Order: sequence, then structure tokens, then C-alpha cells
Amino acid sequence: QKEVEQDPGPLSVPEGAIVSLNCTYSNSAFQYFMWYRQYSRKGPELLMYTYSSGNKEDGRFTAQVDKSSKYISLFIRDSQPSDSATYLCAMRSQGGGATNKLIFGTGTLLAVQP
Amino acid sequence: SQTIHQWPATLVQPVGSPLSLECTVEGTSNPNLYWYRQAAGRGLQLLFYSVGIGQISSEVPQNLSASRPQDRQFILSSKKLLLSDSGFYLCAWRPLSGTGSNGYTFGSGTRLTVV
Repeated sequence: QKEVEQDPGPLSVPEGAIVSLNCTYSNSAFQYFMWYRQYSRKGPELLMYTYSSGNKEDGRFTAQVDKSSKYISLFIRDSQPSDSATYLCAMRSQGGGATNKLIFGTGTLLAVQP
Repeated sequence: SQTIHQWPATLVQPVGSPLSLECTVEGTSNPNLYWYRQAAGRGLQLLFYSVGIGQISSEVPQNLSASRPQDRQFILSSKKLLLSDSGFYLCAWRPLSGTGSNGYTFGSGTRLTVV
């Protein structure tokens, strides 16, 4: 079993739709949860960051973490064609140092149709 | 502000040829540095990471090597490329003492095609 599981998609939605992207994980020690957005042929860019459980909102984006279920979500409201990209979840446990590495999901490809 | 530079953006190399990809970080000191490879539909695979000059840790056995000759310079190399080395290579960094998001900042990537 992979430490982080993410549905690869592709996910196609019409413009204006609410998008839900999800990841599950198996390591209960994970405390830091992130979402990255990656446009085609570009490096990933950090979109949202959450520590431990709870919600975080930034504009049209909301990140949710449910540690009891080992489940994280990213919601995109009023989706736009410019949101079309691959979204990767990433997480790590407490503690510093390079040995405590981010574990990435495989990414979900999202296409928002105009 | 911190920036990360990675080059070249695209590279086509014959099988058996050498490889050198370079990554530099500006605006920070003592960063943790990482090399990832991303294959289509397979997510990010960590290849190497470094916590300081000359300190390299390898995550998977492979045909590649890494070096860190300066604090903010990270190089990915191969003496003889294989077809299976094709992929999208990403360099990333994060502060040595984690603050804020503890996330990584990625470069723009190098798309390597071995022919």
C-alpha cells in the first residue's frame, strides 16, 4: 500500500463548477499537508498548506484535513479554465531536517471546460 | 526573495552520452536541496537530497549521481544515459530550519529525452 493515494483522473468539469480533489494516506504521523498545482511542462507550485486537522480557505480554494479518517481534500469554487492543471497532494510528519521528506501523491489532472 | 534556477529547460541526448543538469538557489543560505524525476502518470520520485556541501543522500539505486559543490548549487549527472533515464527532472529546495509551510519550492524543470 502506498503511503499516499490520489486518484489520477482525469477530471473534466464545466466552468463555474465546484471541484473536489482528494487524497488518502496511511501514516498517522503526518502533520503537515499541502496542495501543489502543476501546469503542463512546469514545476509544481505550492497552492495551500494546512497544519494538522481543520480547514483553510484562500480565495476560491479551501483545503480540508480529516486526520481521523486520514483524508484530505481541496475544493475549488467557481472553477475557471485557468485552473486546468495537475494537482498534487503532499504531506510530512513533525520534525525538521531533509530526512523528514515530503511524500507526494501521484497527482490529479483537472480540465475545466469553458 | 528566494529564487531557484534550473537549466536547461529541454534536452535531447543520445543513449550512452553524459548528462549534467544544474540547479542554483538565490536569496537563502544552507537550503535543503532535492532532485526529483517525474514520469507521466507516476508522480514525483525523489532521487537525491542534500543537507549541505558535499553531503548527498540517494533514495533509489540508479544510473544517476548528484553533487553539491557549493552551498546553493546542486548538480545531477550521469556518465552514460539510458533510455529509461528519460523524464521530467525537477530541483527543489526548502529552508534548513523549517518555517512557514515547510513546503518545497520547485524549479521549472528539465525535460530530458534520451534517444
